[in-house]
Amino acid sequence: EPEVTQTPSHQVTQMGQEVILRCVPISNHLYFYWYRQILGQKVEFLVSFYNNEISEKSEIFDDQFSVERPDGSNFTLKIRSTKLEDSAMYFCASTQTWTGVYGYTFGSGTRLTVV
Amino acid sequence: DAKTTQPNSMESNEEEPVHLPCNHSTISGTDYIHWYRQLPSQGPEYVIHGLTSNVNNRMASLAIAEDRKSSTLILHRATLRDAAVYYCILSGNQFYFGTGTSLTVIP
Repeated sequence: EPEVTQTPSHQVTQMGQEVILRCVPISNHLYFYWYRQILGQKVEFLVSFYNNEISEKSEIFDDQFSVERPDGSNFTLKIRSTKLEDSAMYFCASTQTWTGVYGYTFGSGTRLTVV
Repeated sequence: DAKTTQPNSMESNEEEPVHLPCNHSTISGTDYIHWYRQLPSQGPEYVIHGLTSNVNNRMASLAIAEDRKSSTLILHRATLRDAAVYYCILSGNQFYFGTGTSLTVIP
């Protein structure tokens, strides 16, 4: 069964450093998403991406965050200057269309620890 | 975004059926009803989704009320591996996760 692949599985970084989280969505999917989950809390929407543009973003997704699809396969989330409160699990997801006709496939996540 | 309401937690005995309810009274006509589950330390996993008619797949069944304001996820025989947080979500670009229902399966 096709999978969404995320790397690395765990990243430790110092406060103020830049991090890039990587995702390889399912090849025929067109819509891509990043979510985060702070330990013990809800899964929170960050951003959706379609046709090389951001479709929607949440209040969490401020100027410190950016997303990119640098080639035909990778989808990245960059945090420019990490803060302690950015420590969380980050999940990438993809789907064929946003209308809900198809299910979403999530990756297994990257655990980001900011120290 | 349309929101859903689920009980915070439920328990089931192993090998018994489980009915997980969800209310979505503000659902719009084009919203699909999705169910996902999250096992500890893992990403959300697709379970099932539907629009109006009841749906069955190898994991579960989805029963949708006639007015579409509520739905029920049915696990026919709960196993210990089904212990997870189950999320009922209405389709839309943000795909909003609520707090879900934490299912405990008792051996």
